Amino acid sequence: QVQLQESGPGLVKPSETLSLTCTVSGGSISGYYWSWIRQPPGKGLEFIGYIYYRGGTNYNPSLKSRVTMSVDTSKDQFSLRLSSMTAADTAVYYCARDRGRGELQGMDVWGQGTTVTVSS
Amino acid sequence: SYELTQPPSISVSPGQTASITCSGNKLGDKYACWYQQKPGRSPVLVIYQDTKRPSGIPERFSGSNSGNTATLTIGGTQAMDEADYYCQAWDSSTALVFGGGTKLTVL
Repeated sequence: QVQLQESGPGLVKPSETLSLTCTVSGGSISGYYWSWIRQPPGKGLEFIGYIYYRGGTNYNPSLKSRVTMSVDTSKDQFSLRLSSMTAADTAVYYCARDRGRGELQGMDVWGQGTTVTVSS
Repeated sequence: SYELTQPPSISVSPGQTASITCSGNKLGDKYACWYQQKPGRSPVLVIYQDTKRPSGIPERFSGSNSGNTATLTIGGTQAMDEADYYCQAWDSSTALVFGGGTKLTVL
């Protein structure tokens, strides 16, 4: 059973860069698309971006200038960096796996989410 | 940019059928999927590729997609189905987009 676990700081200062890592266990990172999604308090889901295990990326245009995603197949991990953080970036951040091998079908495995607060 | 529109909330009586719509320009030309999210929990995929159910999802969940509207239908709604539901699709302009979510109340 594939499981995902997000890790990273729970508190980030304004203007700093958020770095999160998602560790894949119970399966391999190879063959799939891996995504980051966030959810501000009391609001809906927002797509941040996805990365293919080979490294190709696709980001939300509204966040593209601040987002960098990377993958480390040797560690079965993928990561998110979001720069110039503001209070509007306060949210629960989820990592997720798309169920399709080599094609996008929908995200069937999600991490438990990690709460990130932006505050000085 | 591409947008998906959902009703903010719907309510249904136990045992009745709940239908949640998701509207977007030519959405029927794309694949849509649906997620269920209960308070404090991660989303769960309930429908993918318009009509398919992942293993473990009850048969009472079904989906359709045509024209500008995708629909999630829950037949014989149970109290445990009370949750927020999000549609999602892929588009060349936005990569991946979620609808705003629909709160389903079973009363």
